[in-house]
Amino acid sequence: QQQVKQSPQSLIVQKGGISIINCAYENTAFDYFPWYQQFPGKGPALLIAIRPDVSEKKEGRFTISFNKSAKQFSLHIMDSQPGDSATYFCAASRAAGNKLTFGGGTRVLVKP
Amino acid sequence: DAGVIQSPRHEVTEMGQEVTLRCKPISGHNSLFWYRQTMMRGLELLIYFNNNVPIDDSGMPEDRFSAKMPNASFSTLKIQPSEPRDSAVYFCASTRLAGVEIGELFFGEGSRLTVL
Repeated sequence: QQQVKQSPQSLIVQKGGISIINCAYENTAFDYFPWYQQFPGKGPALLIAIRPDVSEKKEGRFTISFNKSAKQFSLHIMDSQPGDSATYFCAASRAAGNKLTFGGGTRVLVKP
Repeated sequence: DAGVIQSPRHEVTEMGQEVTLRCKPISGHNSLFWYRQTMMRGLELLIYFNNNVPIDDSGMPEDRFSAKMPNASFSTLKIQPSEPRDSAVYFCASTRLAGVEIGELFFGEGSRLTVL
């Protein structure tokens, strides 16, 4: 049973454009929502994370938006660059559970 | 500082053979996770340890899979006997568990397993 659903599976964006990835979760006990970035041949690495007490968090060109009532959160990559081409995973966990559940991943290709 | 170290990076074996994957977590980290990544199923948590003790192995596919963590600096994931459907990239990750909060997971570069 997939507890975190991620879409789209892939997207292509032009350099300078905005990449948007959406995730939805089912378990209302989740209270930690990180995004991981994975380059080919490498392991995932933490990009940015949010907790449900805030609706938005921004770090550079990366922004997480969180909608607790809809049980959805999204990643926006502003001014997308070719170096952003990677697979992005949303994830969720219960702090008390110490177990991170990942979405299915989104392969992003930024064309120069 | 060294990150999470996994070995081997690539393994090709024949069906029925035993496979052992190894992981050295980051020094000072006390939680260790084994994930499996495939195109069809994405990243799946297989098992995780806190302070060398297995906490949740509900993701281990079947009895052919076993994992151990004999000390804070070493863990193994064993598949015996291996099957073609076990072909995947296996990731080890570690973190410092502070209270009950999960922190940033640091992943190794993975072990790509191909079972013929």
